[in-house]
Amino acid sequence: DGGITQSPKYLFRKEGQNVTLSCEQNLNHDAMYWYRQDPGQGLRLIYYSQIVNDFQKGDIAEGYSVSREKKESFPLTVTSAQKNPTAFYLCASSLTSNTEAFFGQGTRLTVV
Amino acid sequence: AQRVTQPEKLLSVFKGAPVELKCNYSYSGSPELFWYVQYSRQRLQLLLRHISRESIKGFTADLNKGETSFHLKKPFAQEEDSAMYYCALRRGSQGNLIFGKGTKLSVKP
Repeated sequence: DGGITQSPKYLFRKEGQNVTLSCEQNLNHDAMYWYRQDPGQGLRLIYYSQIVNDFQKGDIAEGYSVSREKKESFPLTVTSAQKNPTAFYLCASSLTSNTEAFFGQGTRLTVV
Repeated sequence: AQRVTQPEKLLSVFKGAPVELKCNYSYSGSPELFWYVQYSRQRLQLLLRHISRESIKGFTADLNKGETSFHLKKPFAQEEDSAMYYCALRRGSQGNLIFGKGTKLSVKP
């Protein structure tokens, strides 16, 4: 079954803890993205990677970190420095940076 | 500044009525615009893009550079059209998308 997979679907963490969200794709896509979706805010870009071993900050990168060691994987770490981490996180990938983006099912992170 | 504006948070229409979801953009270059849709409990997916000039599920959208708009239209709404709709702009050479805040379409029977 091809596609883009995010895990887990729901995640709970205590305040002050770092947490890593998984995003895997078997579509052989070069580009991958992380967005944050908040009610009434739409989707905002956190980080993106156009090719393996390279990534750039998006519009709201503060408090987040990523890595792109493998083409198929783009994990996002929400650090304790992120002031408002509770949100719905969406991962996406595209064949290149100029082609259609496919989205994962999302991970809902709740920090208590 | 690059920006996508969807002025309506919620749009409610009756089945069979025409629907228009508004999208305005601000972009200095040549824009590439998209409409994405998110049905309940499903992942966000591409509905249509302006360069294709296609009609998907009865929806069309025309890029109006003079008015900097890319409104989504359907002449006769169906209940299954109820979903969250996002207008998006591709950001130049970087390739990533800027999204509007979304409009929730509710089609009543």
